Amino acid sequence: GAVVSQHPSWVICKSGTSVKIECRSLDFQATTMFWYRQFPKQSLMLMATSNEGSKATYEQGVEKDKFLINHASLTLSTLTVTSAHPEDSSFYICSASRRAGDSPLHFGNGTRLTVT
Amino acid sequence: SQKIEQNSEALNIQEGKTATLTCNYTNYSPAYLQWYRQDPGRGPVFLLLIRENEKEKRKERLKVTFDTTLKQSLFHITASQPADSATYLCALDFNDYKLSFGAGTTVTVRA
Repeated sequence: GAVVSQHPSWVICKSGTSVKIECRSLDFQATTMFWYRQFPKQSLMLMATSNEGSKATYEQGVEKDKFLINHASLTLSTLTVTSAHPEDSSFYICSASRRAGDSPLHFGNGTRLTVT
Repeated sequence: SQKIEQNSEALNIQEGKTATLTCNYTNYSPAYLQWYRQDPGRGPVFLLLIRENEKEKRKERLKVTFDTTLKQSLFHITASQPADSATYLCALDFNDYKLSFGAGTTVTVRA
C-alpha cells in the first residue's frame, strides 16, 4: 500500500515555457504533500508543503510565483514550473502523507526536468 | 541551526561484508530518525524508523542504532549483496512535520 505516482518521469522543455508535474496518491488520501528538488550528488531540498484545499507553504528562497503548487484533491497535487530556465533543470520529487507529521513519507519516482 | 551530516559520501565494500553508515545531527533532539534508500533516478524508499527511546531496530539484514547522547545513528547492512548498492539517506523531522534529509552515502557492493 501507500503508492505515490508521479508523472511525467522526465520532460525536456524550452526556456520560457511552463511545465506541470503531477503527483497522485493511488491507494490512500493524502492530506499533505511535499515537493522536493534534488541536484546531482546532493540531498533532497524541500521546496514546499501543500495541504489539500489550502495554499502551499513555501520554504525560504523558493519563489512561489515560479513554482505554482495546487493540491485540489486528497489524491492529487501539481507543481507547475513557470517560465522555466536552464537553472531550473533538476530532479523534482513529491511525497505524500495521510496527515501532517505522519511518518514515514511515501515518495513518487521523481521527474527529471531539463530546460534547454 | 539544525544540521544533518552523513559523513561518508561513498562506501565501497566486498560482497558479504557489513556496511556501516553514520548519520550525525546537531542542535536538536528528535523524537525519531528515519533511513531511506534511493536508487539512481528514483524517489527514496522508506527502510526503517527508530524512536528516541529505542536503542536498536532491525529489519532483515538491516540494523539501525540511535544514540541520543552522541546525536548519532548508525545504519548497518549485514551480509551485503550487490543489490544493496544504492544511496542511503537519513532523515529527521525538526519538530515542524517536515522531513530534512542528509546528503546521503552511496554504497557500492562488489561481487
